[in-house]
Amino acid sequence: GAGVSQSPRYKVAKRGQDVALRCDPISGHVSLFWYQQALGQGPEFLTYFQNEAQLDKSGLPSDRFFAERPEGSVSTLKIQRTQQEDSAVYLCASSPSAPERNQPQHFGDGTRLSIL
Amino acid sequence: LAKTTQPISMDSYEGQEVNITCSHNNIATNDYITWYQQFPSQGPRFIIQGYKTKVTNEVASLFIPADRKSSTLSLPRVSLSDTAVYYCLVGDLSNDYKLSFGAGTTVTVRA
Repeated sequence: GAGVSQSPRYKVAKRGQDVALRCDPISGHVSLFWYQQALGQGPEFLTYFQNEAQLDKSGLPSDRFFAERPEGSVSTLKIQRTQQEDSAVYLCASSPSAPERNQPQHFGDGTRLSIL
Repeated sequence: LAKTTQPISMDSYEGQEVNITCSHNNIATNDYITWYQQFPSQGPRFIIQGYKTKVTNEVASLFIPADRKSSTLSLPRVSLSDTAVYYCLVGDLSNDYKLSFGAGTTVTVRA
């Protein structure tokens, strides 16, 4: 497939468990973004990678959230000691180059995380 | 990103044209206007982007008046499958990569 792929599509975890969400961006895309979307609201920015470098993590809600992109392609968003308020859809997006090229972000279909 | 205001919801019928107006009074000189579409259980999908006047692609048209304080997304001859949330974003994407979607406009197309 040519699009952004996210896995799993659905994840249910008990409060306190750790979870890992995977994003496969479009091949060759330099920029990768993570967003969080609560029910009935628009997506909100979490973090941004340019290749393997995490250039902006200002949107991560707490130090329980951690993202990595070690080889500049696949990215993983990890949430430690999950809490009920972490329940949301987590979206990954990628774009071909750095933001200054003004190119649109291409989104995956997200991972719906439910914390019991 | 400039603040935007758009209707919460709109209803339409198959075959009609749907026009969604977005207000952005404090748009800056370097800002572009971008629209995304989101279907249930899917991620947002880029529809169209413009700076001034009119932009048209195979999906929609974007009308931007000279003062750029508003813009209108036009969806021609909608079908049931156009039922979605439509988001208007305004910003200089070279700097404002933290897309701020707001609540969007829920468009419901009925048979």
